[in-house]
Amino acid sequence: SAVISQKPSRDICQRGTSLTIQCQVDSQVTMMFWYRQQPGQSLTLIATANQGSEATYESGFVIDKFPISRPNLTFSTLTVSNMSPEDSSIYLCGMGFYNEQFFGPGTRLTVL
Amino acid sequence: DAKTTQPTSMDCAEGRAANLPCNHSTISGNEYVYWYRQIHSQGPQYIIHGLKNNETNEMASLIITEDRKSSTLILPHATLRDTAVYYCIVSDSGGYQKVTFGTGTKLQVIP
Repeated sequence: SAVISQKPSRDICQRGTSLTIQCQVDSQVTMMFWYRQQPGQSLTLIATANQGSEATYESGFVIDKFPISRPNLTFSTLTVSNMSPEDSSIYLCGMGFYNEQFFGPGTRLTVL
Repeated sequence: DAKTTQPTSMDCAEGRAANLPCNHSTISGNEYVYWYRQIHSQGPQYIIHGLKNNETNEMASLIITEDRKSSTLILPHATLRDTAVYYCIVSDSGGYQKVTFGTGTKLQVIP
């Protein structure tokens, strides 16, 4: 089993500002994942973050908008930059361990 | 990864078995079938996975057809706490690669 925590759990932000979401795992893992879940929708992968290298972004997501850091094997951050109301979503981090993936509780972001 | 098709929603009476179907007709030989669920306002939770044999754990049973083109997740005695969105995913990469979520089935357990 694995325990993943995220900070903040929720936030309300003004458009044009940026928010950094932190993800902490209790095990050392090579790959961490960031997902977005828009209201009423399924999860969409934003990027895969490997420790010590640039994150790999999925189609439709770019580094300038969603910069990711991965400074060590237990921690990652996702920044949502220059936010607009369309960025209002739940953002989740995840990690793989053997045959399972584990997910954090999510960060609920509302952009006004 | 192969695509999956699931019903949008299902209801189940509390205490009865919930049978959630999934079609994955393009599954390849090395791809596993995984099930996750997402209870409201929480991150997804792993339930079970299998390759071709039926599997059972403390949460559920997974029945995979012989041709592997479909599967059924069975919750033997559904409780109100089982109300969630259930995702069927096929992947050859275990837990270490990205997971592609479909739309899932919204299971409502009714008292």
